[in-house]
Amino acid sequence: EAGVAQSPRYKIIEKRQSVAFWCNPISGHATLYWYQQILGQGPKLLIQFQNNGVVDDSQLPKDRFSAERLKGVDSTLKIQPAKLEDSAVYLCASSRTSGSSVYNEQFFGPGTRLTVL
Amino acid sequence: DAKTTQPNSMESNEEEPVHLPCNHSTISGTDYIHWYRQLPSQGPEYVIHGLTSNVNNRMASLAIAEDRKSSTLILHRATLRDAAVYYCILRDPHYNQGGKLIFGQGTELSVKP
Repeated sequence: EAGVAQSPRYKIIEKRQSVAFWCNPISGHATLYWYQQILGQGPKLLIQFQNNGVVDDSQLPKDRFSAERLKGVDSTLKIQPAKLEDSAVYLCASSRTSGSSVYNEQFFGPGTRLTVL
Repeated sequence: DAKTTQPNSMESNEEEPVHLPCNHSTISGTDYIHWYRQLPSQGPEYVIHGLTSNVNNRMASLAIAEDRKSSTLILHRATLRDAAVYYCILRDPHYNQGGKLIFGQGTELSVKP
């Protein structure tokens, strides 16, 4: 099966500019995640969608970050305005199951590397 | 959320076994132990998971201590392609629609030819 697709792979912007990332999860996967990975650290969950509803956005800086998942499939993550500390890799992941399940493997995309100058 | 502790880095020789340790002394009865790895310039990928019993799959083995306060990921014969950051994660499947993954610093494994 095709993996999780993300675009763009790289983006360079200046601070205070806006940027958007796109994710296409594996077909049929109900749950979609956005993670932020700062250099040298493990990924940190920003937001989790179950179909097109938000399950967890407790770590999303809502004053500048927004995300949506239209029709429960593709998703976009937006930053407006960007700050220097937003420089990171933004990873999208998806998993098949909905509801609690012991086996809920997450499949990750290659990520988008954002550099804010 | 229960925390895990892993060494920052480890070295291995190619074709030798590797034992990657993880301490999780505050693990709860409903936490599953998951391992993911992240190869350079890629997203993380699932390796293995378990609850109480030791587990084997095509990638690795997971040995879980009897008191569940620690576990060890075993790569039976390391290859150069196994060089990656390995994350040990505790996940409660009954939390937040399947339980979110909380990544720590992980262990950076380097494999020497």
